[in-house]
Amino acid sequence: QKEVEQNSGPLSVPEGAIASLNCTYSDRGSQSFFWYRQYSGKSPELIMFIYSNGDKEDGRFTAQLNKASQYVSLLIRDSQPSDSATYLCAVNHSGNTPLVFGKGTRLSVIA
Amino acid sequence: DAGVIQSPRHEVTEMGQEVTLRCKPISGHNSLFWYRQTMMRGLELLIYFNNNVPIDDSGMPEDRFSAKMPNASFSTLKIQPSEPRDSAVYFCASSSGSHISGNTIYFGEGSWLTVV
Repeated sequence: QKEVEQNSGPLSVPEGAIASLNCTYSDRGSQSFFWYRQYSGKSPELIMFIYSNGDKEDGRFTAQLNKASQYVSLLIRDSQPSDSATYLCAVNHSGNTPLVFGKGTRLSVIA
Repeated sequence: DAGVIQSPRHEVTEMGQEVTLRCKPISGHNSLFWYRQTMMRGLELLIYFNNNVPIDDSGMPEDRFSAKMPNASFSTLKIQPSEPRDSAVYFCASSSGSHISGNTIYFGEGSWLTVV
């Protein structure tokens, strides 16, 4: 059973702070790792993906991957109230196989 | 470019009725996925297709659910008969399977189903 685990939250951070979202996965053969953001009542939208160990930065977002520990995280710098949403971690084993999603972490950025 | 298009956006139906959800994937994408989202269970994969062929339907809850993809630009998910526990948001998603994009999948807006 391939599982992706996330703390459901809510995670509350003040505006301007760094929000840190974490995810662990069970399938050691997983190859690609994704973070999606989902606003209430909307569909998930891709923030970024990572497939190599280390950090990947895109604007205020940094994804971090540690395959040995089967751990992936998302850092959001200078958090804004507009970042308040549910963040879904997803993992892909290979090729055209489906993504397995965690249940998401709800983030609340307080102005 | 148009994204994944789903219809209907919202549906309220009575228990026992047939429900058909429709999806048009992004042009050129060769993989299509049907997910269901509930508060309790999160996003669950129901079935996926590669090149119009069903690959894995192990996530389909029971025989009341069926899915088809008659061509590269259209798929349906049917529930017959519907039950209140089927109430959820049903997302269709598609992917090009390109390693460059990391096999990213793109979601439609979802079909919000309520069975009363």
